[in-house]
Amino acid sequence: QSVLTQPPSVSGAPGQRVTISCTGSSSNIGADYDTHWYQQVPGTAPKLLMFANTNRPSGVPDRFSGSRSGTTASLAITGLQADDEADYYCQSYDTNVSGWVFGGGTKLTVL
Amino acid sequence: QVQLVQSGAEVKKPGASVKVSCKASGYTFTAYVIHWVRQAPGQRLEWMGWIIAGNGNTKYSQKFQGRVTITRDTSARTVYMDLTSLRSEDTAVYYCARGPGGFKWFDTWGQGTLVVVSS
Repeated sequence: QSVLTQPPSVSGAPGQRVTISCTGSSSNIGADYDTHWYQQVPGTAPKLLMFANTNRPSGVPDRFSGSRSGTTASLAITGLQADDEADYYCQSYDTNVSGWVFGGGTKLTVL
Repeated sequence: QVQLVQSGAEVKKPGASVKVSCKASGYTFTAYVIHWVRQAPGQRLEWMGWIIAGNGNTKYSQKFQGRVTITRDTSARTVYMDLTSLRSEDTAVYYCARGPGGFKWFDTWGQGTLVVVSS
């Protein structure tokens, strides 16, 4: 199936580190298409958080980092802060659908 | 600054069409592509298609092929997304988003337009 799979939710206390995984397949991440990450506060538009696996746009703190290995990409957030609470989506290009696909989103709760 | 401003919310009856606009500012309009992405309540983001603002070429998701048309007016720096034969499952927030082209990321998003399809 040409979708990306994320855990529905993750949580952590302020100051802790969390990771969010994004599992794809041989038609997207495994085909060497880059993974991108977006942060979405409910009721607002998504915001680009990480592009081309490991690159942060200007203004995104270095507490956020990305990685990719095989068919899985990951987003790590260190030094959790209350305003990190949001939904996080991964995205890649998929050759089966000849278009972009997104993960189902992961809700981050800061305890 | 780079900005995409979308048209307002719409309420449509099943079978009708909707046209959502996306006005760009703060960058060279023809140097980028504009994607359309929708998000139904409780669902994941779903890519619908894109237009190359420079030459007007388009590509649509297989799911929406035949029902969606994306156009642009370069003088108005505006992109339009037209979705026909609306059904209740099309109720969603529709976003336009700018991309550099290729298999790349979406770096700026519009604020979203809620489209409700209801009889």
